[in-house]
Amino acid sequence: TQTVSQSDAHVTVFEGDSVELRCNYSYGGSIYLSWYIQHHGHGLQFLLKYYSGNPVVQGVNGFEAEFSKSDSSFHLRKASVHWSDSAVYFCAVRRTGGYKVVFGSGTRLLVSP
Amino acid sequence: ETAVFQTPNYHVTQVGNEVSFNCKQTLGHDTMYWYKQDSKKLLKIMFSYNNKQLIVNETVPRRFSPQSSDKAHLNLRIKSVEPEDSAVYLCASSWDRGFSGNTLYFGEGSRLIVV
Repeated sequence: TQTVSQSDAHVTVFEGDSVELRCNYSYGGSIYLSWYIQHHGHGLQFLLKYYSGNPVVQGVNGFEAEFSKSDSSFHLRKASVHWSDSAVYFCAVRRTGGYKVVFGSGTRLLVSP
Repeated sequence: ETAVFQTPNYHVTQVGNEVSFNCKQTLGHDTMYWYKQDSKKLLKIMFSYNNKQLIVNETVPRRFSPQSSDKAHLNLRIKSVEPEDSAVYLCASSWDRGFSGNTLYFGEGSRLIVV
C-alpha cells in the first residue's frame, strides 16, 4: 500500500520569502509523484509531477519539486512566494500501472503581505 | 479553464433523503474518479471508472453508488444520507494510467450538508 505523508499541517511565510513544503512517501515499487494546489472553495489543480530522470521538476507559477529516493521525499519549493500562493497543497502518489491516486493530508500555506 | 463540470455545487438535505451528484468532463479522458473531502481537507478516493468500467471501489457504505453512462459522465448517488456524509465531493478525470494518467483534472466540487 502506498502512503504519502505531509508533516506540516500549516506553514506561514511573508510575501517574497522562499518556502518548502514537505512530502514523504512510503512505497517500494515504481511510482509517480505529483503536487496539487487547492484554493479555498475550489477543486484541486495540478502543479507538477515526477516519474524518472532529472530529480528536480519544474511546475507552474515558479514551483519546483525535488525527488530523493534515499529520503523517500518529494518536497515542493518556491523561491519567492506571492500572497496569491496562499492555498492548501497536496502531495500525491500513484503506483505505476495502478489507477488509484493517493493524496497526503495537505499543507495549508498562508502568505502574509 | 474548467473542463470537469459538477452539479449541483451545493446541496442541503435532511437525514434519510436521496442525493445525486453529476459530473461531466469534456477532455476526452477515459478515466473518472470520485473523491470525498472532509472538513479537515482529507481526500479519500471512493470510486474510479475506466471506459464505463468500475476499476476502483474503496470501502464505502452501500448507500453510495456510482453510475457511468459513458466515459465522459460519472454520477454519484447517495441513498438515505447520514450526517457523516456531509463533505465536499470532488470529481476528477485523467488519461488511462501511464505518465499522463498521473495528472488529474478536478471539478469545483459539490458540497453536501446533511441536517
